[in-house]
Amino acid sequence: AQTVTQSQPEMSVQEAETVTLSCTYDTSENNYYLFWYKQPPSRQMILVIRQEAYKQQNATENRFSVNFQKAAKSFSLKISDSQLGDTAMYFCAFMKSGSGNTGKLIFGQGTTLQVKP
Amino acid sequence: GAVVSQHPSWVICKSGTSVKIECRSLDFQATTMFWYRQFPKQSLMLMATSNEGSKATYEQGVEKDKFLINHASLTLSTLTVTSAHPEDSSFYICSASRRGSGRNEQFFGPGTRLTVL
Repeated sequence: AQTVTQSQPEMSVQEAETVTLSCTYDTSENNYYLFWYKQPPSRQMILVIRQEAYKQQNATENRFSVNFQKAAKSFSLKISDSQLGDTAMYFCAFMKSGSGNTGKLIFGQGTTLQVKP
Repeated sequence: GAVVSQHPSWVICKSGTSVKIECRSLDFQATTMFWYRQFPKQSLMLMATSNEGSKATYEQGVEKDKFLINHASLTLSTLTVTSAHPEDSSFYICSASRRGSGRNEQFFGPGTRLTVL
């Protein structure tokens, strides 16, 4: 069975600074997807970034980038130039790909990020 | 594109009554829809996976007779909480995978807050 672990329940960062959220996962699969989702106070889940395991290059979306270490089963999220609107709960998630893909997402426990002015 | 709606956004009901929550994909056909439950400051817990025209697949520990799921069309899935009790009070979120794009992305609804008195 797959598991996703986020070891930082809460974090804070000053506006305009950089913060890194940690995520580790456990799986015996070789092909899979990893995601970071943001859940702001409105509670609408928003996809931040997606990584395909077979791609060595780390995914980047504007101020958001990941450090994907497949051998270590680590998938951290870096937020650069933090903005007040980044305040939210962030979830790391895992999904199998290929023939075993049921579309099911496995979420970590979440990290609450507070961006301070 | 890829908008998912939920109705109602919040509902208060008396103990023992049944409540129906609708999940609609507004601008795409959904291959699969997922239902999650989320308690305050916790992660999303997958309750069940539903495919159009077939029975839902429930996660271990989820009572299928209590949480009835009907996926009547490629754009609509409903979750009915039968004989609701205060412990069923929670935030319920649905998501949908878009038909034809594989199952590597889920689009989330805004959630429904259920309060059982």
